Amino acid sequence: DADVTQTPRNRITKTGKRIMLECSQTKGHDRMYWYRQDPGLGLRLIYYSFDVKDINKGEISDGYSVSRQAQAKFSLSLESAIPNQTALYFCATSEGLAGSEQYFGPGTRLTVT
Amino acid sequence: TQLLEQSPQFLSIQEGENLTVYCNSSSVFSSLQWYRQEPGEGPVLLVTVVTGGEVKKLKRLTFQFGDARKDSSLHITAAQPGDTGLYLCAGALVESGAGSYQLTFGKGTKLSVIP
Repeated sequence: DADVTQTPRNRITKTGKRIMLECSQTKGHDRMYWYRQDPGLGLRLIYYSFDVKDINKGEISDGYSVSRQAQAKFSLSLESAIPNQTALYFCATSEGLAGSEQYFGPGTRLTVT
Repeated sequence: TQLLEQSPQFLSIQEGENLTVYCNSSSVFSSLQWYRQEPGEGPVLLVTVVTGGEVKKLKRLTFQFGDARKDSSLHITAAQPGDTGLYLCAGALVESGAGSYQLTFGKGTKLSVIP
């Protein structure tokens, strides 16, 4: 079984809808991250969490919110989706050392029409 | 302004050729990582370099960290179709506090190795 799982894998939604992307991990890591990937722009950090009580904004947090329900679960929400949020979204986890390897989930392809 | 500049952005070569891709910055990194991403999957770590001037080899892949820890290169010898993918470099900035736990990613080099 995969160490980092994401659901759904693909989602098409309409402008203005609320959508939640979910991430679960079995690696036992405290640190979890949400990125989006756009062609030509690389991976950009949306939010990260060092533990259940610690949530931090990343480079592009506007229009997104997160919830760390447990050590193993980190959800990303789009309260009112807009077309420029169409992208590939990745969840990742890492150990507690600075610059540690990040383990990525398989990604969620989100299309906002 | 992109903190980590990767070049070239695209590279298409014949099987058996050698290639080098670059990752450059004006900032100093405490460590730098290289990931490979295949279509439909998340990035997977290839290597982490932490010491200026460090060279690491992974079969036909050679990774080097610049002496000043501002740049890195990935050299592939005798490329094979299985090397096809998106190569991403990612650095942990030399900063105090929470920032050092973040990785800054380059935009990637998309490599195609033609049989």
